[in-house]
Amino acid sequence: DAKTTQPPSMDCAEGRAANLPCNHSTISGNEYVYWYRQIHSQGPQYIIHGLKNNETNEMASLIITEDRKSSTLILPHATLRDTAVYYCIVRPMNYGGATNKLIFGTGTLLAVQP
Amino acid sequence: GAVVSQHPSWVICKSGTSVKIECRSLDFQATTMFWYRQFPKQSLMLMATSNEGSKATYEQGVEKDKFLINHASLTLSTLTVTSAHPEDSSFYICSARGHDYEQYFGPGTRLTVT
Repeated sequence: DAKTTQPPSMDCAEGRAANLPCNHSTISGNEYVYWYRQIHSQGPQYIIHGLKNNETNEMASLIITEDRKSSTLILPHATLRDTAVYYCIVRPMNYGGATNKLIFGTGTLLAVQP
Repeated sequence: GAVVSQHPSWVICKSGTSVKIECRSLDFQATTMFWYRQFPKQSLMLMATSNEGSKATYEQGVEKDKFLINHASLTLSTLTVTSAHPEDSSFYICSARGHDYEQYFGPGTRLTVT
């Protein structure tokens, strides 16, 4: 079973920041938080991941709470092309181990409105 | 880098026939590949993990005789849906694990069984 909880859907105005929350209250010390998104009828696209520090890349920022029980993905200036299902996933950092696989939850459908 | 392709991108077949889907890592070697299935408006469900040169490990509830997986080389894994029926119609997505232990996803294959 997925170990994360996300709202089923969110709206965001084009040009504004989109803040997508994720609850992972049972995360363990050796698990990363990963974010992927899936545009309709395409394969998932990696966005960002982190362990306990906040992370930023060219696509987004990831804010992880100090207790690591929740996180927020921030798209700073959402565009219509960012409309997709966003998945928050926790994954163990045991590299090539059998449990090192991505299990998807239900995700959040982000609809960016013009 | 880290590109994964799938072939075909879509396929229509008649009930009772078998269909083979290929997953290739184009610019890296992948000792481990994963197969997911996604029904409309649902999340990705992991079907099986395939390791090069050995038998695939299937998730609970996935029929191994129905979904045959072969991972004969470090760049190719195939999924064969045997005796396909309309309920097997779905979006099949593969991913490949690179040397950095990250999973890279293919674009998916849409299977329609008539």
